[in-house]
Amino acid sequence: DIQMTQSPSPLSASVGDRVTITCRASQSISTYLNWYQHKPGKAPKLLIYAASSLQSGVPSRFSGSGSGTHFTLAISSLQPEDFATYYCQQYYSSPSKTFGQGTKLEIK
Amino acid sequence: DVHLVESGGGLVQPGGSLRLSCAASGFMFSSYELNWVRQAPGKGLEWVSYISSSGNTIYYADSVKGRFTISRDNAKNSLYLQMNSLRAEDSAVYYCAREWLGFLDIWGQGTMVTVSS
Repeated sequence: DIQMTQSPSPLSASVGDRVTITCRASQSISTYLNWYQHKPGKAPKLLIYAASSLQSGVPSRFSGSGSGTHFTLAISSLQPEDFATYYCQQYYSSPSKTFGQGTKLEIK
Repeated sequence: DVHLVESGGGLVQPGGSLRLSCAASGFMFSSYELNWVRQAPGKGLEWVSYISSSGNTIYYADSVKGRFTISRDNAKNSLYLQMNSLRAEDSAVYYCAREWLGFLDIWGQGTMVTVSS
């Protein structure tokens, strides 16, 4: 089974900061990697698909990069609404999928 | 608007059964693969099960294999999850999610399942 490991967790930052979240796969998954944002009581929201493609309607301050086993999600200038938990998810083994353990982005 | 709405959650005793439903609207339901994903209290997201657009291909996480059954009714635009032999560790919010090319682009708001005596 493919394991996904995120870091850091949690992550403390301030409005206006640039932050980066890392996701590592236990084996190469090419670019079969998605990123989601999840707020309490809400449905998870797709941000980035195929490692670096921005989902329609997602602000351009979000970006994704990486391939193989190392991936990053970057937020260029944190807004108050960005404080949430972020998950990476691999679909190299699709239809089976694996999520990372999540990175909670907290207000410093 | 595209929507997924889960229902059927509740309190059930260990060893009991529950059937979750997910009603879809606003898109061609029969063209899309679907998944169930859960989040236990204080934990992260866990993929549970997948079903192809036709219903002919089905996958489960090892943690639920043999106990849960996913199904769909394309005529009713509905997805289901039959959960049997429930355990305390199955307590979670259960989300249905639409899949397109490997990513989950539409999610429901979730339905809470609590397994407790």
